[in-house]
Amino acid sequence: AQTVTQSQPEMSVQEAETVTLSCTYDTSENNYYLFWYKQPPSRQMILVIRQEAYKQQNATENRFSVNFQKAAKSFSLKISDSQLGDTAMYFCALSTTDSWGKFQFGAGTQVVVTP
Amino acid sequence: GAGVSQSPRYKVTKRGQDVALRCDPISGHVSLYWYRQALGQGPEFLTYFNYEAQQDKSGLPNDRFSAERPEGSISTLTIQRTEQRDSAMYRCASSLAPQATGPPADEQYFGPGTRLTVT
Repeated sequence: AQTVTQSQPEMSVQEAETVTLSCTYDTSENNYYLFWYKQPPSRQMILVIRQEAYKQQNATENRFSVNFQKAAKSFSLKISDSQLGDTAMYFCALSTTDSWGKFQFGAGTQVVVTP
Repeated sequence: GAGVSQSPRYKVTKRGQDVALRCDPISGHVSLYWYRQALGQGPEFLTYFNYEAQQDKSGLPNDRFSAERPEGSISTLTIQRTEQRDSAMYRCASSLAPQATGPPADEQYFGPGTRLTVT
């Protein structure tokens, strides 16, 4: 069985500052993908970034980057130069080789960006 | 359509009634997923399809829940003999490529959800 844990229910950050969200996971599979999804107040789900487990290089998408520590089973998301539009719930998710379409989501971290 | 659509957007039903929730994926998307999301929680996987074939239904809570996608496009999630604990947001998502044959390289596009309330 796989699990995804997000231990920070809520984080607040000022505009232009940086915030880091933590995510730890557990799986016995060697081949898997990790994702960060964003859910703004509109309740839509938007893919922010994804990481392939066999790639050592950390994924980056504009102001969003991850710190993937495979041995520690840690997958944190860094939001740089935070903007008001980044206010949302952020979910970490895991998909593994035993059932690629079965996404395991964490409980989420609410990020609030203040002026 | 431009995105994944779900209907109805809101459903209130009495305990013991059956409900059917519909998902219309993005045209051409092969994979379709069903999730349940409680308020303040992450989506909980229920089941997913490639084309019309149900690939994994291990997330369905019990045998009152079933899903189908007979023509590989629109999908219906049916809950029989609803109970109050079934109240939640039910989300559908779709992605372009089949997910059984390899890593999930494709993004999942989520629909707006159906808010189910069982009274």
